[in-house]
Amino acid sequence: KNQVEQSPQSLIILEGKNCTLQCNYTVSPFSNLRWYKQDTGRGPVSLTIMTFSENTKSNGRYTATLDADTKQSSLHITASQLSDSASYICVVSAWGTGGFKTIFGAGTRLFVKA
Amino acid sequence: DTEVTQTPKHLVMGMTNKKSLKCEQHMGHRAMYWYKQKAKKPPELMFVYSYEKLSINESVPSRFSPECPNSSLLNLHLHALQPEDSALYLCASSQGALTGDEQYFGPGTRLTVT
Repeated sequence: KNQVEQSPQSLIILEGKNCTLQCNYTVSPFSNLRWYKQDTGRGPVSLTIMTFSENTKSNGRYTATLDADTKQSSLHITASQLSDSASYICVVSAWGTGGFKTIFGAGTRLFVKA
Repeated sequence: DTEVTQTPKHLVMGMTNKKSLKCEQHMGHRAMYWYKQKAKKPPELMFVYSYEKLSINESVPSRFSPECPNSSLLNLHLHALQPEDSALYLCASSQGALTGDEQYFGPGTRLTVT
């Protein structure tokens, strides 16, 4: 069972609209959570990184929230642009048996249409 | 310089060929990673190098052979690959290997095995 679940799997929105992507995780003990943007055929680019004590972090039009009690995070994109079309990947790091581990979610594919 | 570079961008090789993928970073990071990514899937960790020593090998077949000549360079030697090994190969680096530090990804090498 994947310990980092993202929803929706894919999303289509119109340019200029807002959207929110979800990430639920069961990984513990939690260290940090990162959101990456990945354009097709390119490497992921970091958007935000949050530790246990942080519950919101912004990077331009991207705002990530974290609720460590419910183990949920969201990524809110404001005033979407065509260039926001990409996969958004949630990554959780935690200590586990055998050492530190980093778990990738399957990603949400966002399509922004004109 | 916050860039991770990878060469080549694209590689087509036969099942009997020997080739190498190269990765370079000049951020002073002490950890470097190789990931394999299939289409519409998240990256899968292959190897982790920490202070130029192999610290994690995720049960990768021996036809993939990593090498870390120095703290800035990471190679992945390929030999006798199978068509199912066709994928995007991503290199990443971070300040530390076992701390959940933010990973900076390269643009990837698109590998096709014929």
